[in-house]
Amino acid sequence: AQSVTQLGSHVSVSEGALVLLRCNYSSSVPPYLFWYVQYPNQGLQLLLKYTSAATLVKGINGFEAEFKKSETSFHLTKPSAHMSDAAEYFCAASNSGYALNFGKGTSLLVTP
Amino acid sequence: DVKVTQSSRYLVKRTGEKVFLECVQDMDHENMFWYRQDPGLGLRLIYFSYDVKMKEKGDIPEGYSVSREKKERFSLILESASTNQTSMYLCASSSERGWDPNNEQFFGPGTRLTVL
Repeated sequence: AQSVTQLGSHVSVSEGALVLLRCNYSSSVPPYLFWYVQYPNQGLQLLLKYTSAATLVKGINGFEAEFKKSETSFHLTKPSAHMSDAAEYFCAASNSGYALNFGKGTSLLVTP
Repeated sequence: DVKVTQSSRYLVKRTGEKVFLECVQDMDHENMFWYRQDPGLGLRLIYFSYDVKMKEKGDIPEGYSVSREKKERFSLILESASTNQTSMYLCASSSERGWDPNNEQFFGPGTRLTVL
């Protein structure tokens, strides 16, 4: 089964700084990849998804992610953090089947 | 907009009780899922259903069962609740029969269950 590793359970950035959240997948076959965000006391919301159409994927709220097959990575970035970006972020993957395999999540803290 | 609702945001039950968690989606989606979310463990799939009366085990089905009598409703049942089932439970749904890489899952707000 596809597995996903998110490096860093907690990431802290200053407002206005670059956000980089790391995700690596384990598969010899490139999977379909997703980033979800969970704001406090809410369910998950899709930020963006990679489905092989383009390696650089743009999502909502200024986030983007780049698929790098050679590094088996799908890191999430945002050029300038905003206080409202504080949330938990989940990377997920699937090769086939109905269900997604989620990483353990990264909690993003944005400081003034 | 797709809406996935869960019957309770917070629930407190006692050990040994039978617990029902209800999930309803309003977009005629084929597929529905139940996940459990625990700190440091991310989301783990308990069960999913791709059609009425159909169900498949996920990664951690032990201690749980599900019911899908109507397309829009997917229930998670804890036959005899235990303290290690204290967790956040998230329901999700997705459209299309079969699997599609564009098949986004839409999540409900979650039910935080405490078993005493």
